[in-house]
Amino acid sequence: GENVEQHPSTLSVQEGDSAVIKCTYSDSASNYFPWYKQELGKGPQLIIDIRSNVGEKKDQRIAVTLNKTAKHFSLHITETQPEDSAVYFCAASRDTGGFKTIFGAGTRLFVKA
Amino acid sequence: GAVVSQHPSWVICKSGTSVKIECRSLDFQATTMFWYRQFPKQSLMLMATSNEGSKATYEQGVEKDKFLINHASLTLSTLTVTSAHPEDSSFYICSASDRGNTIYFGEGSWLTVV
Repeated sequence: GENVEQHPSTLSVQEGDSAVIKCTYSDSASNYFPWYKQELGKGPQLIIDIRSNVGEKKDQRIAVTLNKTAKHFSLHITETQPEDSAVYFCAASRDTGGFKTIFGAGTRLFVKA
Repeated sequence: GAVVSQHPSWVICKSGTSVKIECRSLDFQATTMFWYRQFPKQSLMLMATSNEGSKATYEQGVEKDKFLINHASLTLSTLTVTSAHPEDSSFYICSASDRGNTIYFGEGSWLTVV
């Protein structure tokens, strides 16, 4: 079945450095790719998303890139801050009938002050 | 962004009792809601897809008689854990999808069965 692979599982960076999380999906019909941030004990929060008709999207310090040919998409966080420490999940879905969102396994990001 | 509210945020119940968790979409109508279970340091495990006005679709391995889902309106879905046991203790999260298939999550509910 469809799956989404996410790497790395754990990422530790120094405050101010950049962090990159990568995901690969298998369903070539996927056309919507959201990223979620989950802080300890809370539900995931949508932080940025991208649709298949766009190759890159940026929102302040976070950006997402999509390579549909390679079925890769990545989250980039620049100028990381301690409050960016959390678990990040990527996901892939399609808006055809009966769509199902497939989540990656998550990346635990630690930003060291 | 859209808001999904989940209640209660945490609950403790005795073994053998049932507990209900509510999931509400506050500013949009959600024909589809999803229920997940999350174990510590693990990803989200989809339990079932809740469709307004019809029966929920359960994932393989999830007991539909154990985890009752009701989606009576376009803004409310409920998950009832029946005859709860300690192994049902977990973090349960709901999400709702708007018409653009963007998924918004609730705050999650911690269930502890003693």
